[in-house]
Amino acid sequence: EAGVTQSPTHLIKTRGQQATLRCSPISGHTSVYWYQQALGLGLQFLLWYDEGEERNRGNFPPRFSGRQFPNYSSELNVNALELEDSALYLCASSLLAGWGYNEQFFGPGTRLTVL
Amino acid sequence: TQLLEQSPQFLSIQEGENLTVYCNSSSVFSSLQWYRQEPGEGPVLLVTVVTGGEVKKLKRLTFQFGDARKDSSLHITAAQTGDTGLYLCAGALITSGTYKYIFGTGTRLKVLA
Repeated sequence: EAGVTQSPTHLIKTRGQQATLRCSPISGHTSVYWYQQALGLGLQFLLWYDEGEERNRGNFPPRFSGRQFPNYSSELNVNALELEDSALYLCASSLLAGWGYNEQFFGPGTRLTVL
Repeated sequence: TQLLEQSPQFLSIQEGENLTVYCNSSSVFSSLQWYRQEPGEGPVLLVTVVTGGEVKKLKRLTFQFGDARKDSSLHITAAQTGDTGLYLCAGALITSGTYKYIFGTGTRLKVLA
């Protein structure tokens, strides 16, 4: 069974541009989570989508947004890129919604570099 | 403010040694999970602990959840080079009326042959 896939693997943008990152969850999983892993800041929760709806949002500005499609894949958009947005962006999916008791399966991430 | 502090931050040991990684907080968590992340990959779940005082064993790894559900530890017996990686604790809690999932600061372990 295929795991969580993310594309692209690497993305290089300049300050002020927009970035779009994509995630395909494990087949049958309806919840998708996005996390940012930046050097010195650790892994931080960004967004959680379930059944096409945004369920929860981390402490990030509105220029971080996303959506979940009918096939449960998801897209993360980062507008007006800043140098500090350079990080590994991880997507995870789970069979059941929510945290703490479920197993989240993570993808390999998209490395975003903002120049 | 980092709600989950891990210690040590870095650890380099010889194969065969034992080690303990700590995950501490002043907040009460409904559950705590431990992950291992290797370079170029996402974190992989090792265990979930739910009950205060709970101890779970996974081969050479022993996980404990504090009685008050504010802290946890991971003990590795007879470490192997394959244990090398970034160990992360994470927990779910409600703070300021919001449901959150928080990752710890991480412990980077290197096991030398």
